[in-house]
Amino acid sequence: DIQMTQSPSSLSASVGDRVTVTCRANQDIGFYLAWYQHKPGTAPKLLIYGASALQSGVPSRFSGSGSGTEFTLTINNLQPEDFAVYYCQKCGSAPYTFGPGTKVDLK
Amino acid sequence: DVQLVESGGGLVKPGGSLRLSCTGSGFTFSSYSMSWVRQAPQKGLEWVASISNTGSNIDYEDSLKGRFTVSRDNARNTLYLELKQLRVEDTAVYHCTRDFRPPRGYSPHWGQGTQVTVSS
Repeated sequence: DIQMTQSPSSLSASVGDRVTVTCRANQDIGFYLAWYQHKPGTAPKLLIYGASALQSGVPSRFSGSGSGTEFTLTINNLQPEDFAVYYCQKCGSAPYTFGPGTKVDLK
Repeated sequence: DVQLVESGGGLVKPGGSLRLSCTGSGFTFSSYSMSWVRQAPQKGLEWVASISNTGSNIDYEDSLKGRFTVSRDNARNTLYLELKQLRVEDTAVYHCTRDFRPPRGYSPHWGQGTQVTVSS
């Protein structure tokens, strides 16, 4: 099965910063990659699908890029509500494996 | 609005069984693939299983095959997850999710989850 990794596992940032999270697959998954935001006590929220398509209602400061085995989630102008854990997920065909997550907290 | 509401969680002893339900509303339930995703305490998200809109195609996380069974009743707009031979490590919040159409394994819609605790 395809394994997903994320880096860094955590990062500290300030409001207004630009944040980048990387997700890697150990095999080519094309563009079948999703990004989710998860805050404690809430349901995860889909941010990006198809590696770069912004889910409806998600602010444009979130963007995704990449294909094949390396993908990036970028958050521009980090806002207080963006402090959360971010997960990538391999999609397209099962198993739909999640990455281990990246925690973004306040510096 | 799409709504997914899980139920059926609770406290169960190791080796026990439980059946989780997820009722969908605000969309044509029979048109969409559905999934279960869980999160154990202090752990990340883990995909559990997915089922196609008709129930004809089912996939499981390899390590859970044989103990977990996913099914659906489109007449009742309900998704199920039967958990058997439960282990302490199955303790988690279990979320049901709905895919896009055509299905590609994405989860744009989530329920709030139901807590399963396996403990003696």
